[in-house]
Amino acid sequence: DIVVTQSPDSLSVSLGERATINCKSSQSVLYSSDNKNYLAWYQQKPGQPPKLLIYWASTRESGVPDRFSGSGSGTDFTLTISGLQAEDVAVYYCQEYYSVPYTFGQGTKVEIK
Amino acid sequence: QVELVESGGGVVQSGRSLRLACAASGFTFSSYGMHWVRQAPGKGLEWVAVISSDGSDKYYADSVKGRFTISRDNSKDTLYLYMNSLRAEDTAMYYCAGGSGYCNSWGQGTLVTVSS
Repeated sequence: DIVVTQSPDSLSVSLGERATINCKSSQSVLYSSDNKNYLAWYQQKPGQPPKLLIYWASTRESGVPDRFSGSGSGTDFTLTISGLQAEDVAVYYCQEYYSVPYTFGQGTKVEIK
Repeated sequence: QVELVESGGGVVQSGRSLRLACAASGFTFSSYGMHWVRQAPGKGLEWVAVISSDGSDKYYADSVKGRFTISRDNSKDTLYLYMNSLRAEDTAMYYCAGGSGYCNSWGQGTLVTVSS
């Protein structure tokens, strides 16, 4: 099974500043036949279900603000929030969907400093 | 718009069974894979199971393999999760989610509490 590890577990960022969350998989999630990274990012606010932000490691879901961006390939990935807004306070999860079980990272809590 | 509505949660004794359902609307249900994902109170997300669009392929997390069964009825646009031999550690909010790989739509969840 692929193990997915996020860092840090939590971070505090000032409004308007950049937040960076890292996600590392224990094996590559880059599928050679289509050259796609099978990695997604989700946002979960308190009392709500998760919401898809990014898929294929860097493709933004429709309606997601462009301050959210995903990057990386193979085993190392990053979610960047450029210009943190108050409404971005949430827990963020990465998930690999390269092979079952489709493991989630443990989550990163983002707060306002 | 896409809507997923879970039902069937509740309080159940350890060792008993429960069936969850997820009613889908707003999209062509039979064209998409579907997942169950759970979240224990105060904890992170745990992927539980996935089923292919036609129901022919099913995969499970090791923690539920042999106890849980995912199924679907495309004529009723409904996803199911049959849970047997429930344990205290199965206590969680259970979400159904749409997508063959990543999950691009989620229900509000149904809470399952397993009491000893």
